[in-house]
Amino acid sequence: GESVGLHLPTLSVQEGDNSIINCAYSNSASDYFIWYKQESGKGPQFIIDIRSNMDKRQGQRVTVLLNKTVKHLSLQIAATQPGDSAVYFCAEIYTGANSKLTFGKGITLSVRP
Amino acid sequence: SAVISQKPSRDICQRGTSLTIQCQVDSQVTMMFWYRQQPGQSLTLIATANQGSEATYESGFVIDKFPISRPNLTFSTLTVSNMSPEDSSIYLCSVGQGSGKLFFGSGTQLSVL
Repeated sequence: GESVGLHLPTLSVQEGDNSIINCAYSNSASDYFIWYKQESGKGPQFIIDIRSNMDKRQGQRVTVLLNKTVKHLSLQIAATQPGDSAVYFCAEIYTGANSKLTFGKGITLSVRP
Repeated sequence: SAVISQKPSRDICQRGTSLTIQCQVDSQVTMMFWYRQQPGQSLTLIATANQGSEATYESGFVIDKFPISRPNLTFSTLTVSNMSPEDSSIYLCSVGQGSGKLFFGSGTQLSVL
């Protein structure tokens, strides 16, 4: 029979605008969070991380916000560029023994010229 | 961050055959992992490749189907055995720093006919 794969949600943004990519994580014990960017044909690339003792962290053109109360993580990209077009994954981990990094579903960011 | 080389980058295989994927890291790493990424989906951990001992498999993955070798601290292989079309995926090697952060190779795009 035919198998139907999941299609990742897509966020379409005008070049130059700011992008906000949201993620709901599942484990309230998670204490470390990472955003990855995956371009077509490549492996995921580390963008930015944040520990649970922080609620905001800034990098170059990117900011990650963490709201532990509602288990929500967001990635803000300032002045979005065509090169930002990719799939973005959030990942969470409880950094205790034998824990594994768990990835969210992913969101496709499409930048309109 | 470590430089991770994975090969082959892609392959098209016949049903019932096996494919071995190689992962080479440019520095010694303690933790190496193999992930699967099915079309349009997120990353799922297959197993942790342990140096000098058997790999540790996640639920739903077994050694007979996905045998893994880790002969030293810079190299690992994943074999996809007795392939079927359902095994068509991207297979990714990753290495960890111990903090939870992972770095990925560029992946192997596998298509099974």
